[in-house]
Amino acid sequence: DVKVTQSSRYLVKRTGEKVFLECVQDMDHENMFWYRQDPGLGLRLIYFSYDVKMKEKGDIPEGYSVSREKKERFSLILESASTNQTSMYLCASSSSVEADTFGSGTRLTVV
Amino acid sequence: KQEVTQIPAALSVPEGENLVLNCSFTDSAIYNLQWFRQDPGKGLTSLLLIQSSQREQTSGRLNASLDKSSGRSTLYIAASQPGDSATYLCAVPLGSSNTGKLIFGQGTTLQVKP
Repeated sequence: DVKVTQSSRYLVKRTGEKVFLECVQDMDHENMFWYRQDPGLGLRLIYFSYDVKMKEKGDIPEGYSVSREKKERFSLILESASTNQTSMYLCASSSSVEADTFGSGTRLTVV
Repeated sequence: KQEVTQIPAALSVPEGENLVLNCSFTDSAIYNLQWFRQDPGKGLTSLLLIQSSQREQTSGRLNASLDKSSGRSTLYIAASQPGDSATYLCAVPLGSSNTGKLIFGQGTTLQVKP
């Protein structure tokens, strides 16, 4: 019954590494989103995509990029991981007529 | 700019109590409003979605109401149970259409004591 799948629950990476966070949805949703969640700051939108090959910046895109080569898959890329990117990352998908569905999250620690 | 606020930030109640969680938003031109539940270290689970034309939605022991004119929504939990302990988040889409880009409140962390 899992609808939005994030490939890793926990990740530990070193400073400077290139990090890929993968998200796959099986609901044929057009829209996909990446958020990060930090204590005291809540959920903040990093990037989103309304269609394949399309991407738009959210509120905090610095240090991140995304890729959407297929409708069901939306990848978040940390080009050079830094300790301030230690966070919980949440992927979501939606359509124009359905509510947002979230994945189970990836807890990333950069050391 | 839309802002979403949830009060209280934390709540502790004995099992069996009925309780109300509050959510307020500054721009009343919302498309819908969602309530989510988040268990520690986990993702978000959608509880209820209220469209802008609706006044309330119910699911089991949960009832969510929406008053656009006053910029408020409430989540009512009846006969609370320890399993209800979690953080509850409300969110509205950015803008007046269903963009999917959500603006979240900071959440209310609920503890239900046996």
